[in-house]
Amino acid sequence: KQEVTQIPAALSVPEGENLVLNCSFTDSAIYNLQWFRQDPGKGLTSLLLIQSSQREQTSGRLNASLDKSSGRSTLYIAASQPGDSAAYLCAAHNYGQNFVFGPGTRLSVLP
Amino acid sequence: NAGVTQTPKFRILKIGQSMTLQCTQDMNHNYMYWYRQDPGMGLKLIYYSVGAGITDKGEVPNGYNVSRSTTEDFPLRLELAAPSQTSVYFCASSYSLARGTDTQYFGPGTRLTVL
Repeated sequence: KQEVTQIPAALSVPEGENLVLNCSFTDSAIYNLQWFRQDPGKGLTSLLLIQSSQREQTSGRLNASLDKSSGRSTLYIAASQPGDSAAYLCAAHNYGQNFVFGPGTRLSVLP
Repeated sequence: NAGVTQTPKFRILKIGQSMTLQCTQDMNHNYMYWYRQDPGMGLKLIYYSVGAGITDKGEVPNGYNVSRSTTEDFPLRLELAAPSQTSVYFCASSYSLARGTDTQYFGPGTRLTVL
């Protein structure tokens, strides 16, 4: 059974810093891995999707990497802004199964 | 497109009461899902559907029921509400899960409290 964990649970950084969020999964036979953003009181919005054949994906200041052999994915946020404050969840999708979500990392970017 | 819509946004139930959470999507997606999110936890899958008339249990189905009579709608029924069902409920949809590029689109959630 796939299990997904995220470290740290919460992170507070000053504006302008580069930061890395971590996601670990136990079953490396994934179809894809996604990173979502969740604002307080809102639903989830997909940020980046990395297919199993890919090593990374980039969108603006966001870069997500995938290392299936080690069961890890990282989300790199460059030049953080207060508007980046939110919860970030990763989700692993294994073949023939549904998405399994991690508990998320709550990010606060201080002005 | 409105995407995925959910009603109500908030609800307080007494123990033993029943209610239906509504979910509608206008993207003509085949797959629809119901999740619950407890504080500090990830999303847990309750039920999902791969098309009208087809539903299946997820990880935490006890105490819930679903139906899917149309492509657009996927209501979640709570029978005999219990305090353990206090949570935030999210509905989501996707075109399929068979392609590596498929993603899920989420509604804004329903915050349910059972007292």
